[in-house]
Amino acid sequence: GAGVSQSPRYKVAKRGQDVALRCDPISGHVSLFWYQQALGQGPEFLTYFQNEAQLDKSGLPSDRFFAERPEGSVSTLKIQRTQQEDSAVYLCASSLRGTGNTIYFGEGSWLTVV
Amino acid sequence: AQSVAQPEDQVNVAEGNPLTVKCTYSVSGNPYLFWYVQYPNRGLQFLLKYITGDNLVKGSYGFEAEFNKSQTSFHLKKPSALVSDSALYFCAVRPGGYQKVTFGTGTKLQVIP
Repeated sequence: GAGVSQSPRYKVAKRGQDVALRCDPISGHVSLFWYQQALGQGPEFLTYFQNEAQLDKSGLPSDRFFAERPEGSVSTLKIQRTQQEDSAVYLCASSLRGTGNTIYFGEGSWLTVV
Repeated sequence: AQSVAQPEDQVNVAEGNPLTVKCTYSVSGNPYLFWYVQYPNRGLQFLLKYITGDNLVKGSYGFEAEFNKSQTSFHLKKPSALVSDSALYFCAVRPGGYQKVTFGTGTKLQVIP
């Protein structure tokens, strides 16, 4: 597609539920990132993939968070047993290989845990 | 570890006046620097980046930014502000050779008609 596509755009989950957020990167982009943006804050790094390999997951806040990109294209961020503090916007981004390349963001998945 | 500081939570400017949104950074090695804009309930849109070369970088919608290595700054500027420029602006840094991009906390720009 023309841009990074994320779904669902909005998700309300009851505390304790599992959620899955999907990201479809720009075609041909080997690098994929997940960021978490709390209300009124800047995006915080969660994890990074190069193709199907998860090379950096240092930003995942707990073992309830899990990300995968099994075929090197679409990625899923899964949050198990959601807590209220997980409420945030989850941003997916992609870029070509190479750290000088621009990272393009999707519109985000807005998660509210009630 | 890299970091970005955006010292102003909000900047107010009159329409037609020049605007500056400040950003300073801390990183080991050569920095790659970025500015993004975020409109309400939207994702981040890329404005411009500095990788190497000319210290003055021109980007989308008439924005530009000046890289100053000695002051470790990358301030965003525009000669004449528009009401439609009102949004949240994020500065970001990426050490050369590394993938992780670190963002500042954002500056809300309010352009007053």
